[in-house]
Amino acid sequence: DTAVSQTPKYLVTQMGNDKSIKCEQNLGHDTMYWYKQDSKKFLKIMFSYNNKELIINETVPNRFSPKSPDKAHLNLHINSLELGDSAVYFCASSQGGTNEKLFFGSGTQLSVL
Amino acid sequence: DQQVKQNSPSLSVQEGRISILNCDYTNSMFDYFLWYKKYPAEGPTFLISISSIKDKNEDGRFTVFLNKSAKHLSLHIVPSQPGDSAVYFCAASTPGNTPLVFGKGTRLSVIA
Repeated sequence: DTAVSQTPKYLVTQMGNDKSIKCEQNLGHDTMYWYKQDSKKFLKIMFSYNNKELIINETVPNRFSPKSPDKAHLNLHINSLELGDSAVYFCASSQGGTNEKLFFGSGTQLSVL
Repeated sequence: DQQVKQNSPSLSVQEGRISILNCDYTNSMFDYFLWYKKYPAEGPTFLISISSIKDKNEDGRFTVFLNKSAKHLSLHIVPSQPGDSAVYFCAASTPGNTPLVFGKGTRLSVIA
């Protein structure tokens, strides 16, 4: 029973398209995140939600829009995809605040052609 | 601006020997440090953490050492096993509602 699951695992798409990545956690955690691992391998936070409320938004283009319908789900919608958006996107959750132990999903490899 | 640095991109160690992974940080406000382990095509998984009030934390074969004056921490794995082969990320946080800051990772290969 996967604790943090995200779909799809791989996403290949053309520039200019709109795509979504879904994430669900069954740990009962209050806080969920989206992290991006770029070609330089840094894991950088993009967004954090606590009980469906946005608490962190780290200088991410407004083409990226997170949506949290409930505290177990945090989806990421990306409009007008660009080549530079190619990366691995990880969803994560934690019980409490944003600096606690994180539980990660297995990642979504996004390739924009 | 890399606040958390893992200067060795890779490390090879023989099975049974000690693996030492290093991490340096620049932000003196960091008070909580974590190590994550990542296998290919999987997400990072939490391994061990240490608070800045301590200088050592041990969990089985894994020990993390913190040297606050040098702004340096290290992860020791002993004895190393082939299943330890993975990428290890160092992460740090400041007090309050702030996100974890990750290093670039070090790829550990344990050779049988």
